[in-house]
Amino acid sequence: DQQVKQNSPSLSVQEGRISILNCDYTNSMFDYFLWYKKYPAEGPTFLISISSIKDKNEDGRFTVFLNKSAKHLSLHIVPSQPGDSAVYFCAASANSGGYQKVTFGTGTKLQVIP
Amino acid sequence: DAGITQSPRHKVTETGTPVTLRCHQTENHRYMYWYRQDPGHGLRLIHYSYGVKDTDKGEVSDGYSVSRSKTEDFLLTLESATSSQTSVYFCAINSSPPGTQYFGPGTRLTVL
Repeated sequence: DQQVKQNSPSLSVQEGRISILNCDYTNSMFDYFLWYKKYPAEGPTFLISISSIKDKNEDGRFTVFLNKSAKHLSLHIVPSQPGDSAVYFCAASANSGGYQKVTFGTGTKLQVIP
Repeated sequence: DAGITQSPRHKVTETGTPVTLRCHQTENHRYMYWYRQDPGHGLRLIHYSYGVKDTDKGEVSDGYSVSRSKTEDFLLTLESATSSQTSVYFCAINSSPPGTQYFGPGTRLTVL
């Protein structure tokens, strides 16, 4: 049962344009939602997160939007840069017996074309 | 950087052999995790630890065991490696806000 879904395996965007990465979830108990970025041969790195009580969080060029009624979140990158080319993982966490259990999506590979 | 190292970084082994992967952290974090990353599956939790000698299973724990004898070290063992365990393995520790984790650089394991 895939509780966190990223339905687009890949996305290509021109440099300077907006990149929009999408993610859907099924578990209403998730209380934090996160995006991670991964370059080849490196570990994932935390990018941005949002609490379930908010609908938007912004950090520089990166903005995450949360639509709880639709169980959907998205990551907007504006403007997109070639260095943003990477795999982006959506993740959601819920308190599980005292620790925050994190569930990851399958990832979306973003290619920013110069 | 969170101070997480993994060893080895690459390993090729044969089916049926035991393999141990090591994760070392310098942050004194209580929680440590082992994930595997496979195409089409994202990151899946194998085992986690919430303290010395305290471990629990994740969603894909079959065929794996872990040990944590010191706060800084978390070992993942494949008792008898199979080709289905060919993967990239990541270790992680908790950070904040909740759900945030720092990941090590990964170990690429190939089981022939």
